[in-house]
Amino acid sequence: AQTVTQSQPEMSVQEAETVTLSCTYDTSESNYYLFWYKQPPSRQMILVIRQEAYKQQNATENRFSVNFQKAAKSFSLKISDSQLGDTAMYFCASLYNNNDMRFGAGTRLTVKP
Amino acid sequence: SQTIHQWPATLVQPVGSPLSLECTVEGTSNPNLYWYRQAAGRGLQLLFYSVGIGQISSEVPQNLSASRPQDRQFILSSKKLLLSDSGFYLCAWSRMTGAMWETQYFGPGTRLLVL
Repeated sequence: AQTVTQSQPEMSVQEAETVTLSCTYDTSESNYYLFWYKQPPSRQMILVIRQEAYKQQNATENRFSVNFQKAAKSFSLKISDSQLGDTAMYFCASLYNNNDMRFGAGTRLTVKP
Repeated sequence: SQTIHQWPATLVQPVGSPLSLECTVEGTSNPNLYWYRQAAGRGLQLLFYSVGIGQISSEVPQNLSASRPQDRQFILSSKKLLLSDSGFYLCAWSRMTGAMWETQYFGPGTRLLVL
């Protein structure tokens, strides 16, 4: 079975500092996508960043970047210069050829002023 | 640009009553459409997905059903709600690039409380 694991249920960070959220996945597929979604208190799921498995270069989106280690099946999210608006649940997800996206259990991130 | 709508935003229903949640997508054609459920404090569980009009795949056997009467409309239904149907329901869409369906974009969700 294809699974996504987020081992940190909760994390906190001081405003303007950097935090890294961990994610590991399990698959035998060679072609897949990986995502980080943010779910603020409004509960709408917002795409933060995505990574194609065939690309070696780590994806970046402004203050958000990933560390994609394909051999280790690891996909961590780094948030730089944390802002109060980054407070949310963060979900790691994987998408394979079978059109089935799997989500981790989420990490609750609190940015403290 | 593409937009996805869901309604209602919030719904409180008695046990045994019927349910109809609607999702529509604007600005794209032939999307793949999905229904997810999220229990409080939990991740997302895929309920149904559709690759075209009238084509529905069910991921989890349950009290719910889905229909796709139009290309950009996806409906989640139940004939008789159970207490366990309470949760947050999210609709999503994606499109195909090459051989794979790509990023899923989510609607604002519907909070359902069954009493």
